[in-house]
Amino acid sequence: GNSVTQMEGPVTLSEEAFLTINCTYTATGYPSLFWYVQYPGEGLQLLLKATKADDKGSNKGFEATYRKETTSFHLEKGSVQVSDSAVYFCALSAGGGNKLTFGTGTQLKVEL
Amino acid sequence: SQTIHQWPATLVQPVGSPLSLECTVEGTSNPNLYWYRQAAGRGLQLLFYSVGIGQISSEVPQNLSASRPQDRQFILSSKKLLLSDSGFYLCAWIRDHNSPLHFGNGTRLTVT
Repeated sequence: GNSVTQMEGPVTLSEEAFLTINCTYTATGYPSLFWYVQYPGEGLQLLLKATKADDKGSNKGFEATYRKETTSFHLEKGSVQVSDSAVYFCALSAGGGNKLTFGTGTQLKVEL
Repeated sequence: SQTIHQWPATLVQPVGSPLSLECTVEGTSNPNLYWYRQAAGRGLQLLFYSVGIGQISSEVPQNLSASRPQDRQFILSSKKLLLSDSGFYLCAWIRDHNSPLHFGNGTRLTVT
C-alpha cells in the first residue's frame, strides 16, 4: 500500500536558520505529493504540491522537489521565522477517491 | 468562496455515550468528503470518505460510522464511545484531483 515517512520531531531552530524536513514515500503508480502545515489549534492548510517527477512546489519561501529516483519530497526553507512554528505533514495522493495518505507530521519550533 | 464548518470545536464525553460530529461545506457542489483522525504522535489517519450522497467508504474497522445525508453534509457518529476514540477529528473536502484538500478547524474529542 501507500505510505509516507517523515523525520521525527520536534525540530528546533533559531530564527533565520536553514530548514530541511525529510519525506520519503512508497506508492504504486505516479502519486501527487503535498506538504500541509498545521498551526496550533487549527486544521491543516496546503503549503505546496508537486504532481509529477522533477516538479518543484514552492510557497511562502518553502520549496520541495519531487524526486522519483529517490522517492523523496523534502521540504526546505532558506531562512525560517518564528511564525513558521507549526506541524508539517507530507502527504501523497494516488489511486481512486482522491484520498491522501499522510506522514506522522514533524513539529517545527523556531526560537529567537 | 468555499468554506467548511466543523462543530463542535471541543467535546468531552464519557465512555459509552453516543457521538455526533457535523461537517458542512459551502460554496461548492458534489465534493468528495473525508473524516480524518489525528491521535497524539500518530499523524493523520483516514477514517471515512464519501464521493456522493449516501456513499460511504470506510478505511479502517472501528467503533465509528459516517453518513452523508445531504450533498454538503458529512456526519461522524458512534453509538458507544471508547477511551481510544479520543483524538482530534478533522473533516476535509476536495473538488477534484487537481485541487487541494481543504480542512476544517477540527474537533478535539476527549473520552473520559
